[in-house]
Amino acid sequence: AQSVTQLGSHVSVSEGALVLLRCNYSSSVPPYLFWYVQYPNQGLQLLLKYTSAATLVKGINGFEAEFKKSETSFHLTKPSAHMSDAAEYFCAVSGPSGANNLFFGTGTRLTVIP
Amino acid sequence: DGGITQSPKYLFRKEGQNVTLSCEQNLNHDAMYWYRQDPGQGLRLIYYSQIVNDFQKGDIAEGYSVSREKKESFPLTVTSAQKNPTAFYLCASGGIAGVGDTQYFGPGTRLTVL
Repeated sequence: AQSVTQLGSHVSVSEGALVLLRCNYSSSVPPYLFWYVQYPNQGLQLLLKYTSAATLVKGINGFEAEFKKSETSFHLTKPSAHMSDAAEYFCAVSGPSGANNLFFGTGTRLTVIP
Repeated sequence: DGGITQSPKYLFRKEGQNVTLSCEQNLNHDAMYWYRQDPGQGLRLIYYSQIVNDFQKGDIAEGYSVSREKKESFPLTVTSAQKNPTAFYLCASGGIAGVGDTQYFGPGTRLTVL
């Protein structure tokens, strides 16, 4: 069965500091992994996705994530936080091969302190 | 512009009423999805449809119904049988998550039961 755990429902960082949002997955098959961002009262926007082409995935807005099979992790990072990064971030894992389902984590709310 | 539209943005329902949430896409995607979002619980799949005139139950389909008469449209009806319908509802479209395709999300409808 596929599932995702996001450690830390709230993360606060100072502007200019490193952003690290944690995601661990459980999957019975090689997974496809996604990070989405949600601004208040809006839909989700894709930040990046892992589809086995490369373990380090670069996304939009300076974010990147590294797939580590040995740790079953797909943590999201950004070297320098900006005020506009304040939002909620969701990690998701795909269902079995050929399935449409995405399984989402419970989200991490990022606060950026000026 | 290509995208997904949801209407209305805010919806208020009285106890015992059925309400229908609209979702339209012009991305020419075969698959469409409805998710429910509650604080601290991430997104949960209600229904999805891979082709016109076909749809499948997700994890929390009880109290909801859908139709897929056109490729572009996937309306969701929240029936009076749904005991706790107050939530943020997100529609998405895209390909097959199990092969790494991306799901694209609409802006959401916030439903409140009075």
